[in-house]
Amino acid sequence: QKEVEQNSGPLSVPEGAIASLNCTYSDRGSQSFFWYRQYSGKSPELIMSIYSNGDKEDGRFTAQLNKASQYVSLLIRDSQPSDSATYLCAVLGGASKIIFGSGTRLSIRP
Amino acid sequence: DVKVTQSSRYLVKRTGEKVFLECVQDMDHENMFWYRQDPGLGLRLIYFSYDVKMKEKGDIPEGYSVSREKKERFSLILESASTNQTSMYLCASGSLGVGELFFGEGSRLTVL
Repeated sequence: QKEVEQNSGPLSVPEGAIASLNCTYSDRGSQSFFWYRQYSGKSPELIMSIYSNGDKEDGRFTAQLNKASQYVSLLIRDSQPSDSATYLCAVLGGASKIIFGSGTRLSIRP
Repeated sequence: DVKVTQSSRYLVKRTGEKVFLECVQDMDHENMFWYRQDPGLGLRLIYFSYDVKMKEKGDIPEGYSVSREKKERFSLILESASTNQTSMYLCASGSLGVGELFFGEGSRLTVL
């Protein structure tokens, strides 16, 4: 079992709709969770972090964490073509080790 | 702005050559990381370091070594490059205990 799992996609969402990206992790002791966005040919950049159960909102982005289910999600409201990218889920484990999922490719269709 | 600089954007090497990839960060971060990224496999951690002269193996350390002699600099070394090490290599830095990483632009290595 991979430590951090994501569906690879591609996930195709119409412009203006809500995009929902999911991630599961195996280490029940993990405390910190992150979503990075990576445009084609570019390096990943952090867009959201979440540390406690529940929702965290930042503009059009909402991160959701359920530690009991070991599940993290990212919702993107009012999806725009500029949101088309690969979204990487990351988990901070022991000794500052940060593990990434394989990423979900999101495509917003006009 | 935080800057993570990788020494080479593109490299072409031959099988068996020794390869050095260098990374420098200007934010006084304790943590530095080397990942490789391959299609469908995402970012895989090779090695990381949380202090000068300290290193920890990641998930795929075989065939690689690292060096951190100064806080700002973290080098990845391929002692004897092989074709299966053809990949994009990404360096990142971050503060201790914090998961926000800042990435360099990447080094695309091709081993022939």
